[in-house]
Amino acid sequence: EPEVTQTPSHQVTQMGQEVILRCVPISNHLYFYWYRQILGQKVEFLVSFYNNEISEKSEIFDDQFSVERPDGSNFTLKIRSTKLEDSAMYFCASRGGTTHGTQYFGPGTRLLVL
Amino acid sequence: AQTVTQSQPEMSVQEAETVTLSCTYDTSENNYYLFWYKQPPSRQMILVIRQEAYKQQNATENRFSVNFQKAAKSFSLKISDSQLGDTAMYFCAFMKHGNGGSQGNLIFGKGTKLSVKP
Repeated sequence: EPEVTQTPSHQVTQMGQEVILRCVPISNHLYFYWYRQILGQKVEFLVSFYNNEISEKSEIFDDQFSVERPDGSNFTLKIRSTKLEDSAMYFCASRGGTTHGTQYFGPGTRLLVL
Repeated sequence: AQTVTQSQPEMSVQEAETVTLSCTYDTSENNYYLFWYKQPPSRQMILVIRQEAYKQQNATENRFSVNFQKAAKSFSLKISDSQLGDTAMYFCAFMKHGNGGSQGNLIFGKGTKLSVKP
């Protein structure tokens, strides 16, 4: 069964460093999403991506964040200058055009900023 | 703006018994989807069940069923014959229906931590 994959599973970085989180959505899906979950809190929407551009973004998704689909399969989230409060689980999700709204999540990347 | 409320931070149930997790939401949209996702200790987000708002019939998936009350904006999850593997966080989520790129993001509740006891 097709699934969303994410790399790395864990990443530790120093405050101020850039990180890139990678996702490979399900191959025939059209809509891509990033969410984050700070430990013990609810899952929060960051950004959605469709037709090679951002379709929606939340207040969290400020100028330090960017997304890209560089090669038609990968979907990346870049954090330019990490802050302590960026420590969280980051989930990628994808959805096809005919799956009636269902988003399929990857296993997540656990980011720790020191 | 849409909101999702899960009023039960934690619940427990004995193995083989039935448990109901509650969820209410607030929206002015008429077309939308509702979901329950399960998050075990691995923190993977796993879809449990989906409901389209235009469907009056409650969705069922094996031991999982929902009670969708559109007028009351209520969407509870019933787990029958609870199993130890059902132990997890359960998140209720809302997504508005849209067209093209405005298909909408998921809005999650704070979750209910369910423990199934042997």
